[in-house]
Parts: sequence; C-alpha cells; structure tokens
Amino acid sequence: ETGVTQSPTHLIKTRGQQVTLRCSSQSGHNTVSWYQQALGQGPQFIFQYYREEENGRGNFPPRFSGLQFPNYSSELNVNALELDDSALYLCASSLPPWYQETQYFGPGTRLLVL
Amino acid sequence: KQEVTQIPAALSVPEGENLVLNCSFTDSAIYNLQWFRQDPGKGLTSLLLIQSSQREQTSGRLNASLDKSSGRSTLYIAASQPGDSATYLCAVRGGSGNTGKLIFGQGTTLQVKP
Repeated sequence: ETGVTQSPTHLIKTRGQQVTLRCSSQSGHNTVSWYQQALGQGPQFIFQYYREEENGRGNFPPRFSGLQFPNYSSELNVNALELDDSALYLCASSLPPWYQETQYFGPGTRLLVL
Repeated sequence: KQEVTQIPAALSVPEGENLVLNCSFTDSAIYNLQWFRQDPGKGLTSLLLIQSSQREQTSGRLNASLDKSSGRSTLYIAASQPGDSATYLCAVRGGSGNTGKLIFGQGTTLQVKP
C-alpha cells in the first residue's frame, strides 16, 4: 500500500502566474484535504474534497480552487500568484468517516513565488 | 473560533530525558485530537490520534493524553533520543462551526542533544 504522494516536490513561479499541484491519496481514502504551511507556522486548512465534491473551505480567496477525480486523486490550482503564496502545500487523505479517522499527509510541494 | 496553542515553542533536552509537550485548545466540542511530527522541510507524520471519548493513547515511547473539559492535551516522550529531534504539532478536529478541518498549533521544536 502506497502512502500519500504529491507532485512536484518543488516549484518556482513568478507573481501573476498560475500553478497546479497534484496529490494521490492513500488507497481506499475518499477524502482529501489541502493545507498551506508558511515558514514557522502550523498548516492552515484550504479546503476538503469528499467523493469529488468540495466539503468545507477555509479562509482562502476564490483564486484557490481544487478538483477531486473518480480515483480520489486531487489537484490544487492557484491563479494570479502572489508573493505571500510562497509556502509548503500539504495534501492529506483519510478513510471514511473523515471526521473520525487519522489524516495521513503527503511530503508536500514547496512553492516559491518571485 | 477554535484556537490551538502549543507551549513551549522550542525545547532542548539531553538524550535520555523524559519530556512533556503541551497543547491547549479553546473549544472543547472536538471530534478528536491528533499529534504529528514534522522533520525540517518535510510533510507531517501522524503519531497518535485521540478520539473525544478517549483519555489517552500510547505508541511505543509516546503517550498522549486528552482532557477535553479543560481543553488540554499532552504528549509524553520517554527516554528521548537524538532521532526524536523534530517539530511536534497538535491539531484538533471539530469545535463550533468547524466540521472537518484540522486546526493546528504552531508547533514545538524539539532538540535532543547526544
């Protein structure tokens, strides 16, 4: 059984560009959540997907959007990148019921916006 | 609004010492609390999950307790080793208006000296 994987591992973009980050959830996990972790801070919840539908969103603007696919993999899209979007982006998956089960995190994607 | 605080922010101990990391939260209406370990620049590794109905969980040298009524959790590490050096994060799931996301503290960075 493979764990949560994310791609790419590192990414450099310039302000105003768009980026897509990808996540493959652990086998059997139908819930995927995305978090943003700034340097020296705890992760902040962006949104969660359950069975391909958004199921909760944190305090992030609409330029942060996502998708979940039938195989439960997921994408995080960020448009009009800003310098403050530089962070480690973490994906987490869990078995149902998602509010009771352990969340398993991937290794993250480090995004630098110049 | 649920808030999670971890004290201390950093801790340095000699190898072999037993230690306690603290986590407090403001809203006791949680589903569960999870402790994670994060190595520099890496993703999060789940250590222990305590459901709201439980008082403690143990895994090897780690023991986590939960006192929901007082809004506190502790992570006890026995016989610390240099390999335990990392940042430890606690996160709660639940609380008023918060159905599924994890809310994290800012972490305690632990250094175990040989």
